[in-house]
Amino acid sequence: RKEVEQDPGPFNVPEGATVAFNCTYSNSASQSFFWYRQDCRKEPKLLMSVYSSGNEDGRFTAQLNRASQYISLLIRDSKLSDSATYLCVVGGSGNTPLVFGKGTRLSVIA
Amino acid sequence: DARVTQTPRDKVTEMGQEVTMRCQPILGHNTVFWYRQTMMQGLELLAYFRNRAPLDDSGMPKDRFSAEMPDATLATLKIQPSEPRDSAVYFCASGLAPGLVPETQYFGPGTRLLVL
Repeated sequence: RKEVEQDPGPFNVPEGATVAFNCTYSNSASQSFFWYRQDCRKEPKLLMSVYSSGNEDGRFTAQLNRASQYISLLIRDSKLSDSATYLCVVGGSGNTPLVFGKGTRLSVIA
Repeated sequence: DARVTQTPRDKVTEMGQEVTMRCQPILGHNTVFWYRQTMMQGLELLAYFRNRAPLDDSGMPKDRFSAEMPDATLATLKIQPSEPRDSAVYFCASGLAPGLVPETQYFGPGTRLLVL
């Protein structure tokens, strides 16, 4: 089983739609969780951290389910500019570095 | 606006040639990472440093890859000899860690390598 798994997509959604991505991780000792965004031919950039209590940033909501070992990202009222690949990222503790999923591609269509 | 810089941005070379990629981390960051990204494998960690000391390079093919931090403002990744399967985008990232896992990693624009 891969450490971090995501549905590669693509998710093709119309503007204004709500879309959700899930990500599962295998290491139950993982301590930190993030969503990164990567535009085509660009570098990954931090979108948001994911906290146990869940967190929201504008149209974006991230949630963590430790019992089931999955992380979700919800995007409401999709914009054309949301088109990108969304990378799920999980970190352990101690010497374990961050592990990136392969990403889920989102395409928002006018 | 502080950024991670990488050079070169694009590199085309022939199999067997040496390739050197350079990274300038954000000033004050104490952790530097080298990643490789391909369509098939996604983003793979090759090596990382904290306070210039190598912590882990288990993701790197040791026979041909080497990573160093000659000083706090420069990290290098070398491939010698290069092979077509090394073709990928190589990203450098830096972060500031109170522990060993930075809260946020800031990525450079990447070096797009093509080995013919």
